[in-house]
Amino acid sequence: DAGVTQSPTHLIKTRGQQVTLRCSPKSGHDTVSWYQQALGQGPQFIFQYYEEEERQRGNFPDRFSGHQFPNYSSELNVNALLLGDSALYLCASSGTGGIISYEQYFGPGTRLTVT
Amino acid sequence: DAKTTQPPSMDCAEGRAANLPCNHSTISGNEYVYWYRQIHSQGPQYIIHGLKNNETNEMASLIITEDRKSSTLILPHATLRDTAVYYCIVTGGAGGTSYGKLTFGQGTILTVHP
Repeated sequence: DAGVTQSPTHLIKTRGQQVTLRCSPKSGHDTVSWYQQALGQGPQFIFQYYEEEERQRGNFPDRFSGHQFPNYSSELNVNALLLGDSALYLCASSGTGGIISYEQYFGPGTRLTVT
Repeated sequence: DAKTTQPPSMDCAEGRAANLPCNHSTISGNEYVYWYRQIHSQGPQYIIHGLKNNETNEMASLIITEDRKSSTLILPHATLRDTAVYYCIVTGGAGGTSYGKLTFGQGTILTVHP
C-alpha cells in the first residue's frame, strides 16, 4: 500500500513564475492538507481539501490556491513566485468518510527553490 | 488551539529512555495532545495522541499530568534512528474550528548518541 506521494521532489523556479505541485493521498483517505516548511521552522498550514472543496485555510495569500480531484489527489498552485516562497511543501492525507482527523500521513515533500 | 512550549534541544544515550516534555497550560478541556516527529529530509510522522489518560503504542508512551497542563513523550529505548525533531501539538477539541489543521511550533531536536 503506497503512502502519500508527491511530485516533483525538487523544483527550481524564477521569481514571478507559477508552479504546480502534486499529491496523491494514502489509499482510503479522502482529505488532503498542504503545509509549507521554511528552513529551520515547523510546517505551516496552507489549506485543506475535502470533497473537492477548500475546507479550511491558513494565513496564506490568494497566490496560493489548490484543487482536489474526484480520486482525492490534489494540486497546490502558487502564482507570482517570490523568493520567500522557497520552502519544503508537504502534503498530508487523513480521514475516511469526511471524518476530521488530526492523525495525518505526510508525504516526503517537494523542495521548491525560487531564484 | 492552545500554545505549547518545548525545550529547543535534548540529548539521549542510545538504549536509554528519552523523555520529551511539553507545556500546554492553556489547554481546554476537550483538546487533545498530539505528538509528531520529523526525521531529517522526511515529512512529519504521527507518533501518538491522548486526552487525559496515559497512552502507549508500539512507538512511544504519552504521560499527561492530571491538570493536563503538561505532558511527556517517552521513547523507552532510544535508538540512533530516533534522532529527529519532535513536535507537541494541542488541537482537536470538539466544537472547535481547527478542521484537522495542525499547528506546529519549533519542536525539540532530539539527538540520540552512541
